[in-house]
Amino acid sequence: GAGVSQSPSNKVTEKGKDVELRCDPISGHTALYWYRQSLGQGLEFLIYFQGNSAPDKSGLPSDRFSAERTGGSVSTLTIQRTQQEDSAVYLCASSLLGAGTEAFFGQGTRLTVV
Amino acid sequence: GIQVEQSPPDLILQEGANSTLRCNFSDSVNNLQWFHQNPWGQLINLFYIPSGTKQNGRLSATTVATERYSLLYISSSQTTDSGVYFCAVGSRAGNNRKLIWGLGTSLAVNP
Repeated sequence: GAGVSQSPSNKVTEKGKDVELRCDPISGHTALYWYRQSLGQGLEFLIYFQGNSAPDKSGLPSDRFSAERTGGSVSTLTIQRTQQEDSAVYLCASSLLGAGTEAFFGQGTRLTVV
Repeated sequence: GIQVEQSPPDLILQEGANSTLRCNFSDSVNNLQWFHQNPWGQLINLFYIPSGTKQNGRLSATTVATERYSLLYISSSQTTDSGVYFCAVGSRAGNNRKLIWGLGTSLAVNP
């Protein structure tokens, strides 16, 4: 597609439920990032995929968080047993070849855990 | 790891004024980007500028990689320029593969 697409735009869920967030990167981009941003804060790195390499999961805050990238394209971020502190905007970005190339962001998914 | 510092943290301008935002980084970089996050949260790419100077309309940016800083210039500011400006870098050091972000400069342009 023309840009990075994320869905849903907004998600309200009850504490304890699982949620899945989707990211469609720019076609042909080999690198994909997930970040989250709490209100008024900077971006917090979560996970990075690059081609067929093992993902860099060093930013995932707990084992309730996981992500996969199928076929080198679409990625899904899953949060199990959501907690109120998981409320944030989850941002996905892609770049052509990784950290040395320009990254483009989707519009984000605003997650609210009630 | 690499550190990224942005200044000033907050800035208030009258419409029409010029400003300079600064990004300092602590190590060699192979990527530096400036983003504008608008009030709706969308991150908009302004410049991909690991070195050199670029201009786009009222905005321009300069990165002096040898001295480890980048500057973003906003001329004739408009209310639509309000938002947070982020600098993000990719480091050459080790196997670092993720962008490192500054804390941003929050800009308010008043009419």
